[in-house]
Amino acid sequence: GAGVSQSPSNKVTEKGKDVELRCDPISGHTALYWYRQSLGQGLEFLIYFQGNSAPDKSGLPSDRFSAERTGGSVSTLTIQRTQQEDSAVYLCASSPRLAENTEAFFGQGTRLTVV
Amino acid sequence: GQQVMQIPQYQHVQEGEDFTTYCNSSTTLSNIQWYKQRPGGHPVFLIQLVKSGEVKKQKRLTFQFGEKKKNSSLHITATQTTDVGTYFCAGPGSGGYQKVTFGTGTKLQVIP
Repeated sequence: GAGVSQSPSNKVTEKGKDVELRCDPISGHTALYWYRQSLGQGLEFLIYFQGNSAPDKSGLPSDRFSAERTGGSVSTLTIQRTQQEDSAVYLCASSPRLAENTEAFFGQGTRLTVV
Repeated sequence: GQQVMQIPQYQHVQEGEDFTTYCNSSTTLSNIQWYKQRPGGHPVFLIQLVKSGEVKKQKRLTFQFGEKKKNSSLHITATQTTDVGTYFCAGPGSGGYQKVTFGTGTKLQVIP
């Protein structure tokens, strides 16, 4: 596609339920990133992928969070047993390569509300 | 851990006035990037600075990287309503360049 696509754009879920957020990066981009942005706040780094591999998962807020990427393309961020503090906008970004001097192209984000 | 702070947190200016946001890192950065996020939108890359003391311009925007590569600034001359949004600086995280750390952001409001 022309840009990074995320779905759903909005998700309202009940506390305790699991949710799955999807990111479709720009075609050919090998690097993919997930960020979380709480209301009016900055971006909190969660995890990055080089191809299908996520070497460092230490940025994930808790063990309820997991992410995977298959085929070097689509990525999913799964939150189990959601809590109200999980409410935020989850942003995905991709880059042509995992290198120090490359810009990240962001998707529109998924606004998650846990009620 | 590494911290990237921006000041001010908020800024309201009259249209036509200048605006500056400052980015300060607790550690030396190999490079710094600037992003703009419009209200309700997603961050969009503006520019990257790599060299100590580097200055780059994009029309009314001037970006500067400090001599010690621990700070940076973005200056907008003669603001317009289209400049409204939150400006973030970002740099390689202390845990590796892959873990990009974003600054706290400066929210700019331009009053017509």
